Amino acid sequence: DAKTTQPTSMDCAEGRAANLPCNHSTISGNEYVYWYRQIHSQGPQYIIHGLKNNETNEMASLIITEDRKSSTLILPHATLRDTAVYYCIVRVNNAGNMLTFGGGTRLMVKP
Amino acid sequence: GAGVSQSPSNKVTEKGKDVELRCDPISGHTALYWYRQSLGQGLEFLIYFQGNSAPDKSGLPSDRFSAERTGGSVSTLTIQRTQQEDSAVYLCASSYWTGGLGTEAFFGQGTRLTVV
Repeated sequence: DAKTTQPTSMDCAEGRAANLPCNHSTISGNEYVYWYRQIHSQGPQYIIHGLKNNETNEMASLIITEDRKSSTLILPHATLRDTAVYYCIVRVNNAGNMLTFGGGTRLMVKP
Repeated sequence: GAGVSQSPSNKVTEKGKDVELRCDPISGHTALYWYRQSLGQGLEFLIYFQGNSAPDKSGLPSDRFSAERTGGSVSTLTIQRTQQEDSAVYLCASSYWTGGLGTEAFFGQGTRLTVV
């Protein structure tokens, strides 16, 4: 699986949009971009994933650049409960592939 | 069940003892993953089961670690002769695969293992 690079930490004001970047310059054509988050003392939680088109669900939006070498996870109105470590993972979506977690970005939402 | 269930939620054991950690995946999920997370660290992959295929054991840190999955459902992770460095949160996840495509992985709340 391609390696990802994320900032170690970010701050965001409550109510503002949180934009979390991820670089995956070596991504291959059949690899998807996945985002998970881990709130303190809990198991990781799936947020969203995409291949090349932008995606949106009730939790977040995923913007993937046209060359697919980077992506941004957007939490449109961050709340204190969004404080967590956010993991960007790229992987081939097939049955032989596990998730490989990197260091992630520690997002701190501040009042 | 509604989600991935792990038991026990906490386990304290003496160094040198064996422990068994249990994972009940979401019903119908064919893939099951074990990870561990030491204090303040990232998630470390341990082992992966997919259907009837041979498990991917490439992440097991030593031969003291083993895992099995009975009947394609419940999985047990066994650590023999526990050491203090085995202290961590052990996380289990499951996902569903069909036609070569999978759902996202759902994680349990983990078992916090403390070796004293």
